[in-house]
Amino acid sequence: EVQLVESGGGLVQPGGSLRLSCAASGFSFSTYWMSWVRQAPGKGLEWVANIKEDGSEKYYVDSVKGRFTISRDNAKNSLYLQMNSLRAEDTAVYYCARGVLRYFDWGQGTLVIVSS
Amino acid sequence: QSALTQPASVSGSPGQSITISCTGTSSDVGSYNYVSWYQQHPGKAPQLMIYDVSNRPSGVSNRFSGSKSGNTASLTISGLQAEDEADYYCGSYTSSSTHVFGGGTKLTVL
Repeated sequence: EVQLVESGGGLVQPGGSLRLSCAASGFSFSTYWMSWVRQAPGKGLEWVANIKEDGSEKYYVDSVKGRFTISRDNAKNSLYLQMNSLRAEDTAVYYCARGVLRYFDWGQGTLVIVSS
Repeated sequence: QSALTQPASVSGSPGQSITISCTGTSSDVGSYNYVSWYQQHPGKAPQLMIYDVSNRPSGVSNRFSGSKSGNTASLTISGLQAEDEADYYCGSYTSSSTHVFGGGTKLTVL
């Protein structure tokens, strides 16, 4: 059974940083693109970033370019999202998802609140 | 990176059929057969219902079907049931190797 478990969310002040993690199990992690998708409270889904199987390609939504960095550690079956210069509009539940063309599997999400 | 366009809400009575549209551009929906649909109940993670325009994952009811014409994809739910009441999102791969979602459609079963 595929499992994706996010962690690392919490309350952070504007301008602060946070690192999200996603622990993957139940599939061959190193052979899949992985993605981060977020959902602001009461709003729709927004794709954030994706990363190729070997980490050699990374893509971001314009609103986080230069502030967020997606990475992975295939030896640890883990996906990460380093978030710097956080803004109030980054407040959301952040989901990790398996894939790039479509998302068969999602984690339960981790809540990030950016507020003073 | 503009969101795909979906109606904000649709409704139908039990047993009826409804269709949700999803309009993109020639850089996403129109260029690839990588349109997917997700169902999300309150407080839950999204669940894939349709992928690659018209394919159903194992375990998803055959009451759910998808199609595409040009830059517009559609999700049809036939034989509406109370448990179908949820938010539905379309998504598409894009020519920039990114992904884009629709704004979401709230389905109300009357």
